[in-house]
Amino acid sequence: NAGVTQTPKFQVLKTGQSMTLQCAQDMNHEYMSWYRQDPGMGLRLIHYSVGAGITDQGEVPNGYNVSRSTTEDFPLRLLSAAPSQTSVYFCASSSGRLTDTQYFGPGTRLTVL
Amino acid sequence: GQQLNQSPQSMFIQEGEDVSMNCTSSSIFNTWLWYKQDPGEGPVLLIALYKAGELTSNGRLTAQFGITRKDSFLNISASIPSDVGIYFCVVYSSASKIIFGSGTRLSIRP
Repeated sequence: NAGVTQTPKFQVLKTGQSMTLQCAQDMNHEYMSWYRQDPGMGLRLIHYSVGAGITDQGEVPNGYNVSRSTTEDFPLRLLSAAPSQTSVYFCASSSGRLTDTQYFGPGTRLTVL
Repeated sequence: GQQLNQSPQSMFIQEGEDVSMNCTSSSIFNTWLWYKQDPGEGPVLLIALYKAGELTSNGRLTAQFGITRKDSFLNISASIPSDVGIYFCVVYSSASKIIFGSGTRLSIRP
């Protein structure tokens, strides 16, 4: 099993550009989530999904969109990137509930100029 | 909003020393977890605590869920170089919200 994979590993955008961060898991997990980690801070929940076709907002959802068309994939879209979105983004999955062990991907380091 | 206060923010230790860190909140939480993040990687679960007063060990790691349900501590005995990293306490609030503390950064003194 590859676990949770994220692409790209690094990305530089200009303000106003759009892009999609990819996340995939091969563990047949129902729960998937996206976090951002800013310097010196813990992770903050952006959006999450409890199963295919179901998504909900986390603590810091503004500026991000998600969809969950399959169990395996949970892409995060930035429609119009802003410098405040410069951060490291982590995707995670867990088997059933939020309180089950979460498995994190390796992260995507995004810089918005 | 709800916050987790972790202390210390950072610590330098000698290899072989015991380490202690804690996490407090002004709110009650029913599940406390400790994750570790190695440089350049995502966090990995170390210990999960589900019952107030519970003391749980995982190898050289021991964690306790405070009886008031507002705090938790993590101890590492006989530290080794691979213990270096950032340790996060994590709780779950209602409505599927997960809250990370700001982390304790552990470094080894050369």
